Amino acid sequence: QVQLVQSGPEVKKPGSSVKVSCKASGGTFTSYPLTWVRQAPGQGLEWMGGIIPIFDTTKYAQKFQGRLTITADESTSTAFMELTSLRSEDTAVYYCARPRDNYIYSYFDYWGQGTLVTVST
Amino acid sequence: SYVLTQPPSVSVAPGQTAKITCGGNNIGSKSVNWYQQKPGQAPVLVVHDDRDRPSGIPERFSGSNSGNTATLTIIRVEAEDEADYYCQVWDGSSDHPYVFGTGTKVTVL
Repeated sequence: QVQLVQSGPEVKKPGSSVKVSCKASGGTFTSYPLTWVRQAPGQGLEWMGGIIPIFDTTKYAQKFQGRLTITADESTSTAFMELTSLRSEDTAVYYCARPRDNYIYSYFDYWGQGTLVTVST
Repeated sequence: SYVLTQPPSVSVAPGQTAKITCGGNNIGSKSVNWYQQKPGQAPVLVVHDDRDRPSGIPERFSGSNSGNTATLTIIRVEAEDEADYYCQVWDGSSDHPYVFGTGTKVTVL
């Protein structure tokens, strides 16, 4: 059974950075695309970016270019999402998500439980 | 970038049928996926590739897609179906490959 387990909630000051982890169990970690999606309070889902560890390739939404870095550690089957220069608008629940099969890129069968990041003075 | 528009809310009585639309330019040429999200929980995939259901999703959920509108249909609605629903498409050649709809709150009366 595939599980994506994310790190705990964070409270950050404006201008600082946050790094959220997503540990995967089940399946071969490196061959699956891993995507990050966020959801601001009371708002919809927003794609941020993703990584395919086996190819070490990443893609980011233009909105986050320069502020977002997604990495993966094969040895621990963990993906990381780091967002810098935080502002209040970055307050959201951040999810990692993955497909069931490693040849599927178009949708997400498995989701982490979400990590609430609060940006506040 | 590509925009997907959903009605903000749909209300339905138990046992009746709910239809949630997702509008997008020529969306019929794309594969549409649908997610259900209950308060405080992560989204759950309920339909992928327009009309396929993942294992464990009740047959009451079905999807269709044609022209400029995709539709998620829930027949014999139950109280547990009350949730937010999001459509989503993928374009692998785009700089922004994953687009989500604006979301629809389904209320079971």
